[in-house]
This record gives sequence, C-alpha cells and structure tokens, in this order.
Amino acid sequence: GAGVSQSPSNKVTEKGKDVELRCDPISGHTALYWYRQRLGQGLEFLIYFQGNSAPDKSGLPSDRFSAERTGESVSTLTIQRTQQEDSAVYLCASRAEPGGGETQYFGPGTRLLVL
Amino acid sequence: GIQVEQSPPDLILQEGANSTLRCNFSDSVNNLQWFHQNPWGQLINLFYIPSGTKQNGRLSATTVATERYSLLYISSSQTTDSGVYFCAVESGGSNYKLTFGKGTLLTVNP
Repeated sequence: GAGVSQSPSNKVTEKGKDVELRCDPISGHTALYWYRQRLGQGLEFLIYFQGNSAPDKSGLPSDRFSAERTGESVSTLTIQRTQQEDSAVYLCASRAEPGGGETQYFGPGTRLLVL
Repeated sequence: GIQVEQSPPDLILQEGANSTLRCNFSDSVNNLQWFHQNPWGQLINLFYIPSGTKQNGRLSATTVATERYSLLYISSSQTTDSGVYFCAVESGGSNYKLTFGKGTLLTVNP
C-alpha cells in the first residue's frame, strides 16, 4: 500500500477487557515497530519485529502486552485485561531495510480509551 | 539510554514569522528524524538528517553530529504549521528503535 495503515482508528473499551490493534506496514518493509504515545508526551518504544527473527520485546510495559507478526506482513498488538493507564495512542512504524540508518514511516495510530 | 531534549517546549508565533527549534542528544546517532504531528495525531516525516543540512520549501534542518544537536528552521510560518514537532534519534543497539524528545508545541496565529 501507499503507507502504513492501522485499525481501528479509535477504540473505547471497559477496564478488564482485552483489545487487539492491527498494523499493515508498507509493502516490502522488513522492519516493524510499535510505539505508545501518552497524552502530551513523546513516543515510547514497545516492540520491534525484523523478518523472521525473534522480536525485541524490551519496551513492553507488562506481560499484559503481546504482539505478533506473520513474516513481513500484518502485525497485531494485544493488550489483555486493560487498565485505565493503558489509554494512549498506539502507533506502528515500518522501515524498508534491516539495520539502522533508515527512515521509519508511521501509521495514523489507534486511539485507545479505557473506561 | 540516549537522552533527547527539545527546546523550546512551547512557541507561539504570528503568521509570517520565522522560528528555530532545537534538539540536543546525549550520544552519537545513526539516524535523526524530524516529525510534525498534526492536530489529528498523524506523524509526518519532515527530514531524515543524521548529519548535514537539508531544505524542503519553507523548512530546513541542520544536524551537527559532532556537537550532538539538530536545528529545524521554519520560515514564513503559516497557521497550518501548528502542531507538535518531534525530534527522534536512533543510537545503535540491535533494535534500531527511535528515541523521541518531548516535542515543541508550535502555535501559529493568523
């Protein structure tokens, strides 16, 4: 596709429910990232996928957060037993090449509100 | 980890004015990107600029990697320039993640 797409664009859920967020990277991009942006803050790294390598989960804030990616395509971020502090915008980014020094392109984000 | 500081945190301009936004970082970097986050939350790539100077219309950026800072210049500002400007750096490590500053909130009044 032309850019990174994410769905849903907005999600309102009740505390304790599970949510699943989706990211479609730019076609052919091997690297995929998830970031979180709390209100009025910069972005925080969550998880990194590169091809078929084991993902780097070092940014996940708790074991309630998990993510999957099939090959070099779609990724899903799952938050179990959501808490109010999980309310944030979740952004996905992709990059063409493995390794550093390349531009990351961001999707429009999913705005999650936990009531 | 690497620290990224942006200044000023807030900036209010009249339409037509020029401005300079600064990004300081605490370690050497492989990548530095400037983004504009519009009022709808979309992050728009402005520059990929680990070193040197680039220009794109009314915007230009300079990164002096040896002195660990980058500057974003906005000339003849327009109301559509309003939003948050983020600097983000990639400093190595195996995941090549971006570390973001807290941003500069720019408001351009008509």
